[in-house]
Amino acid sequence: QVQLQESGPGLVKPSQTLSLTCTVSGGSINSGGYFWTWIRQHPGKGLEWIGYIFYSGSTSYNPSLKSRVSISVDTSKSQFSLKLTSVTAADTAVYYCARVRGYCSADTCYYFDSWGQGTLVTVSS
Amino acid sequence: EVVLTQSPGTLSLSPGERATLSCRASQSVSASYLAWYQQKPGRAPRLLIHGASSRATGIPDRFSGSGSGTDFTLTISRLEPEDFAVYYCQQFGSSLLTFGEGTKVEIK
Repeated sequence: QVQLQESGPGLVKPSQTLSLTCTVSGGSINSGGYFWTWIRQHPGKGLEWIGYIFYSGSTSYNPSLKSRVSISVDTSKSQFSLKLTSVTAADTAVYYCARVRGYCSADTCYYFDSWGQGTLVTVSS
Repeated sequence: EVVLTQSPGTLSLSPGERATLSCRASQSVSASYLAWYQQKPGRAPRLLIHGASSRATGIPDRFSGSGSGTDFTLTISRLEPEDFAVYYCQQFGSSLLTFGEGTKVEIK
């Protein structure tokens, strides 16, 4: 069973770049048919999709964050990473990495089937 | 971009009661691409339903999903104590993923 684990600084200063990495184990990040995604959740609020990357490197981002977000993949390390630039206090949130099933089986697909435990990132000076 | 609106925001019910949660899309969504999740405090969301009506592995049959087009429903037939949580719907369209804002099911 695939497992995902987020890692990175828990505290970032305003205007700096937030960088997180997700390590995938128990399954291949190279396997086609999955999108490797980032989601965040502001304290006490709902889920916000940030973006995803396919193992080939193709990406899609939330239009509201697109100008500040970059997601990359390192298949040799079985990792994918998030960079969010010019952060403010509004970027304080729990950040999750997750896997989306992108291939259809029995007429169903594009759902999150595995999640990391999440990591709290606080933006503060 | 498809906007998902969930209602009600909070549902206050007693154990054993039936819960009906709504997810309405701003434009038609493929049922194949509609999923529901449960989230408890401090935990990652858990997949309940995918393809609008298919239960994920290990999900009890008291959870059921239905709907098509712009209107989807998650039903919990008889609430168990462990079902009090926040529930989110999610869809995929035009290469974008979106979540509803959630419905909290709380103990009355």
